[in-house]
Amino acid sequence: GAGVSQSPSNKVTEKGKDVELRCDPISGHTALYWYRQRLGQGLEFLIYFQGNSAPDKSGLPSDRFSAERTGESVSTLTIQRTQQEDSAVYLCASSPLTGQQGAGYGYTFGSGTRLTVV
Amino acid sequence: EDKVVQSPLSLVVHEGDTVTLNCSYEVTNFRSLLWYKQEKKAPTFLFMLTSSGIEKKSGRLSSILDKKELFSILNITATQTGDSAVYLCAVWGVNYGGSQGNLIFGKGTKLSVKP
Repeated sequence: GAGVSQSPSNKVTEKGKDVELRCDPISGHTALYWYRQRLGQGLEFLIYFQGNSAPDKSGLPSDRFSAERTGESVSTLTIQRTQQEDSAVYLCASSPLTGQQGAGYGYTFGSGTRLTVV
Repeated sequence: EDKVVQSPLSLVVHEGDTVTLNCSYEVTNFRSLLWYKQEKKAPTFLFMLTSSGIEKKSGRLSSILDKKELFSILNITATQTGDSAVYLCAVWGVNYGGSQGNLIFGKGTKLSVKP
């Protein structure tokens, strides 16, 4: 597609349930990032995929969070046993550039998924 | 700990005013500093700065980086209501635990432009 697509756009879930968020990057973009944005806060890095390399998971806040990406296609972010503090907007971004050249330049963000845990 | 601090956190101005948004940073192995505009959910790219003292300009927006003092400013002249948004500053640093590093974002400055 023309842009980065995320689904669902909004998700309300009960505490303790698992949720799965989806990101469809721009075709051909090798790099894919997940960020979390709590209300009134900046973007918090979660995980980074680059092609078929091992993902950089250093930003995942706990083992309840996991993400997958097959090749350069769709990515899913899974949150198990959701807690109220998981409520946030989850943003996905993709980039055609990698390494130092990709240092933030050419990121295209999706519109995000607003997750509310009640 | 790497961090990016933006100020002010919020700002209310009237159309036609000029505003200056600030971003200071402490990042290991600095690579670049970026400014984004976030109106609803998706931040949109404005500028990337890598060298000190070289102004980047796009219409009424301009930005400059000072790598010695570790800060950047974003200027908006002749503000319009359409400039109302959250402006995010982000810095690329190399994360020792990661393979390529990642962007570290500030909390943003919420700009409201009144007619």
